Amino acid sequence: DAKTTQPPSMDCAEGRAANLPCNHSTISGNEYVYWYRQIHSQGPQYIIHGLKNNETNEMASLIITEDRKSSTLILPHATLRDTAVYYCIVSPTSGGSNYKLTFGKGTLLTVNP
Amino acid sequence: EAGVAQSPRYKIIEKRQSVAFWCNPISGHATLYWYQQILGQGPKLLIQFQNNGVVDDSQLPKDRFSAERLKGVDSTLKIQPAKLEDSAVYLCASSLVSVSFTDTQYFGPGTRLTVL
Repeated sequence: DAKTTQPPSMDCAEGRAANLPCNHSTISGNEYVYWYRQIHSQGPQYIIHGLKNNETNEMASLIITEDRKSSTLILPHATLRDTAVYYCIVSPTSGGSNYKLTFGKGTLLTVNP
Repeated sequence: EAGVAQSPRYKIIEKRQSVAFWCNPISGHATLYWYQQILGQGPKLLIQFQNNGVVDDSQLPKDRFSAERLKGVDSTLKIQPAKLEDSAVYLCASSLVSVSFTDTQYFGPGTRLTVL
């Protein structure tokens, strides 16, 4: 599985957009980019995933560069409840019995009032 | 819909004792995962079940850890005997094996194990 590189921590002001970068320069053509987050004392929570096109849902937007070597998760209007560890994960499949996730250390996003 | 349930939420034991964790996945989810999360690290997959069969247990320390998923629903993870380094949060997750293959893993709240 391709490895990912994320900054260990980031700060963001409440109400502003939070842009979390992820480098995955060794990603293969059939590997998906997933983002999960983990709020303190809770289990990880799925946010969004994509293959090559940009994706948007009610939680966030995912921007994947054309060469697919990096991506950015965007929380458009961060709130205090978005303070969490954000994990960028590359997976060889999007589902089925071989669907599994390899977590790194992630980025601790702190949203400040 | 109800989420992934885990119990107990907290457990404190002494080294060399045994401990068991229970997980009830989301109804209808065929795949169940157990992860170990040591403080300051991301979750590490221990074992993955598809219905009641094991798909991947390559990172499960089989000399002391065991897991089962009878009838393809609930699952238990056991540690016997526990070591100090087993202190961690044990997370259970489940996913629906969908035809469209756009699965999401849903995680439970975890069980925090402290081994003294």
